[in-house]
Amino acid sequence: IAGITQAPTSQILAAGRRMTLRCTQDMRHNAMYWYRQDLGLGLRLIHYSNTAGTTGKGEVPDGYSVSRANTDDFPLTLASAVPSQTSVYFCASSTTAANTGELFFGEGSRLTVL
Amino acid sequence: GQNIDQPTEMTATEGAIVQINCTYQTSGFNGLFWYQQHAGEAPTFLSYNVLDGLEEKGRFSSFLSRSKGYSYLLLKELQMKDSASYLCAVMDSNYQLIWGAGTKLIIKP
Repeated sequence: IAGITQAPTSQILAAGRRMTLRCTQDMRHNAMYWYRQDLGLGLRLIHYSNTAGTTGKGEVPDGYSVSRANTDDFPLTLASAVPSQTSVYFCASSTTAANTGELFFGEGSRLTVL
Repeated sequence: GQNIDQPTEMTATEGAIVQINCTYQTSGFNGLFWYQQHAGEAPTFLSYNVLDGLEEKGRFSSFLSRSKGYSYLLLKELQMKDSASYLCAVMDSNYQLIWGAGTKLIIKP
C-alpha cells in the first residue's frame, strides 16, 4: 500500500538519550515535513524539506535535526531527549512544496521521554 | 500573532447535521483546509477553500468568508464513524500551514 511509513510506532526513552524517528514514503513526493502534536495544541511544524538535499526549520526546531539524502527518507533525530519532547510525531508529505496544504500523513510515532 | 480558533468539543446525534466553525487571524491567506483525525490515527485531508463560498463533497461541505476570517465545516446525515477530531488549517503568506487545535466531535446514537 502506497503511503508513508513511520517507525517506531511508540517508544519510551530515558532523558539524555539520542533517538531517531524514521519516515519513508513511496509516493515520490518532493516535500516532506515533521510535525508534533500535543494535547490542546495544533500541529506544530518542526522541520521540513522542499526537495531532496534541502531542509528548513519550522516553528519548533530546537532539539531536533533532520536530513534528506534522497526523495523517500526523512529521519528526525533528537540528539539528547528531554521530557518536553514527549509528544506524538507525524511525518507528512506533499507532491510539491507549493502544494503544502494537502498533506499525506504517516500513522505517527508516540514518544515518551522520562 | 497568528491564530486559529475552533471549539474544543461538540456533540451531535446520529443522522443530524453539525456545523464546526473556524475563525482565523493570519499574516496573509493562501487557502483554508479541513482535516479529519480519528483517535490514535493520522489526519486525513477533507477539503480546501481558497475563494469565498461553499464547496460540497458528498455529506461534507466547507464554507469560507475571507473578509470575515471565517470558515465552517458542515457534516450532514451524521454517522457514528464521523466521531473524530476536525482540524482547521490556514496557509499564510509564506505558504506555511497554521493549525487550529481541533474540534472533537462526539456522535451519539
